[in-house]
Amino acid sequence: ETGVTQTPRHLVMGMTNKKSLKCEQHLGHNAMYWYKQSAKKPLELMFVYNFKEQTENNSVPSRFSPECPNSSHLFLHLHTLQPEDSALYLCASSQRRNSGNTIYFGEGSWLTVV
Amino acid sequence: AQSVTQLDSQVPVFEEAPVELRCNYSSSVSVYLFWYVQYPNQGLQLLLKYLSGSTLVKGINGFEAEFNKSQTSFHLRKPSVHISDTAEYFCAVSPVGFSGGYNKLIFGAGTRLAVHP
Repeated sequence: ETGVTQTPRHLVMGMTNKKSLKCEQHLGHNAMYWYKQSAKKPLELMFVYNFKEQTENNSVPSRFSPECPNSSHLFLHLHTLQPEDSALYLCASSQRRNSGNTIYFGEGSWLTVV
Repeated sequence: AQSVTQLDSQVPVFEEAPVELRCNYSSSVSVYLFWYVQYPNQGLQLLLKYLSGSTLVKGINGFEAEFNKSQTSFHLRKPSVHISDTAEYFCAVSPVGFSGGYNKLIFGAGTRLAVHP
């Protein structure tokens, strides 16, 4: 059981499709994150939101568009993706303020772009 | 800037044997240190973390790690592994005093631990 829930768990989309990944945290945290996990590579931080405001965007292509309507929900909107975008996308949350705080991860959304 | 090197991409080991997963880091500032585990088809789960104090840190599932500042290492150990420990293990650091308002974790590439009967 996890305090961070991601849907869908698996998604297959064509390069011209538009889809969204959803994340919800039940931990009362106020920082939320999107990470990308590709085979044989370290986890890549994509976006960070603090109290609904985006505080980090690690040069992510504009075909990935995050949305944070409140401190419990986070979306990643996807459009015109490329096959190399196929990966596991992990949502996470933590308390703000302290860089020593534990980050809690969801189970991830497996994305395949065909 | 910080970087993390996990020296072994794969570690095979027999059940009930001891194991050590190695982690070295580079940083111009002090860091907090973390180990996360990822079981198949799951997200990452915190095993243990070092913030301050005793350099020997005990975590869940019988794992422990020792912070060695002079060698900039944070190796993970378990005296006797089980089949259920088969997973991917990630070492990570975050800079102390980072003012961005979130935990800026920098991950290593991971070590796949395969426990055989």
